[in-house]
Amino acid sequence: DAGITQSPRHKVTETGTPVTLRCHQTENHRYMYWYRQDPGHGLRLIHYSYGVKDTDKGEVSDGYSVSRSKTEDFLLTLESATSSQTSVYFCAAGEPTGRYEQYFGPGTRLTVT
Amino acid sequence: KQEVTQIPAALSVPEGENLVLNCSFTDSAIYNLQWFRQDPGKGLTSLLLIQSSQREQTSGRLNASLDKSSGRSTLYIAASQPGDSATYLCAVGPMSSARQLTFGSGTQLTVLP
Repeated sequence: DAGITQSPRHKVTETGTPVTLRCHQTENHRYMYWYRQDPGHGLRLIHYSYGVKDTDKGEVSDGYSVSRSKTEDFLLTLESATSSQTSVYFCAAGEPTGRYEQYFGPGTRLTVT
Repeated sequence: KQEVTQIPAALSVPEGENLVLNCSFTDSAIYNLQWFRQDPGKGLTSLLLIQSSQREQTSGRLNASLDKSSGRSTLYIAASQPGDSATYLCAVGPMSSARQLTFGSGTQLTVLP
């Protein structure tokens, strides 16, 4: 699993509150990703990072921001949580060269009430 | 925009049967293709990765094939077991430098004892 951990693993929050999810990796992978998984949609990319302080948007980035101040940590922030952001969030990491296998964390289940 | 489709969405087979899961994608300009397994409430476990220059990969009872020209991949599971019950996800990695994966919605497999 390339030493990827996510915290918290479960969270329930109220609409309108800010939420930050953390992803931590131990393998020094340059690229990191945040995906969300919803029934009927598979996993969809929210944001990704290609280095410290270098980030870009994915397919479903509205309402989310990210930050990466260290190689090992990638934070996902919901500025003002909405019920449509109830989902399971997965972090992934990898190097985009060679075989390029992407490794995934265990996921964070977020419920917005 | 790359689109990945997995058919069927659900499959139920008796123990011991050989089975094939299908994945199709719309843009043949891919870097690689990964098959993942996901158990209920859990993260993603990488099963097989096929580079765009390869035709197939094997691991134990699993064999994945790739036909880029037709935009198809198959995952063959031999002598299925109840422990193989899970959701199987196909994901395509693009030629772009970010290599963010595009996922299918998955096939939920149930192997009956």
